[in-house]
Amino acid sequence: EVQLVESGGGLVQPGGSLRLSCAASGSIFSSYWMHWVRQAPGKGLVWVSRINGDGSHTNYADSMKGRFTISRDNAKNTLYLQMNGLRAEDAAVYYCVEGLYFDRWGQGALVTVSS
Amino acid sequence: QAVVTQEPSLTVSPGGTVTLTCGSSTGVVTSGHYPYWFQQKPGQAPRTLIYDTSTKHSWTPARFSGSLLGGKAALTLSGAQPEDEADYYCLLYYTGVGVFGGGTKLTVL
Repeated sequence: EVQLVESGGGLVQPGGSLRLSCAASGSIFSSYWMHWVRQAPGKGLVWVSRINGDGSHTNYADSMKGRFTISRDNAKNTLYLQMNGLRAEDAAVYYCVEGLYFDRWGQGALVTVSS
Repeated sequence: QAVVTQEPSLTVSPGGTVTLTCGSSTGVVTSGHYPYWFQQKPGQAPRTLIYDTSTKHSWTPARFSGSLLGGKAALTLSGAQPEDEADYYCLLYYTGVGVFGGGTKLTVL
């Protein structure tokens, strides 16, 4: 069974940095596009970023471009999201999603931005 | 960045039919936006129902269908069941960048 397990969430001060990880198992990780999607408590979904199978192609939502960096290590079956310059509005549950068609979702990692 | 619009809430009777729509601030929604539809129930991660306008995942119940309708993407639920009560989100792509709509809260009552 495919499993996606996010880690690295937590409390960070405004302006700070955090790196989320997503460990994938049960699939041929390097074959799949991967996405990050976030959801603030009680709010809607926000698409953050995506990366192709070999990491050569990335896309970002406008509000994250220049602050967030998506990357992957196919040898470790792991997806990353480096988040810099965090703002209060970045506080959310961050979901790791596998597949071009958003086939499999992790359970999410909570990021809290507060002083 | 484009804004994607959905009805905030809709109600359907059990066994009834309802259509949710997904519009774009940039104009007509086309297959080139690769419309997606997601379902999210309370306390759960979302799951994809429809991609590329009308393609279903293996787990998508047959009562859900996707289409383009009146310049928008549409998700039609025919024969609503109580378990279909959930939030529904559409996603459109704009040259590789995804944008979710604000979501539709569907009540089956």
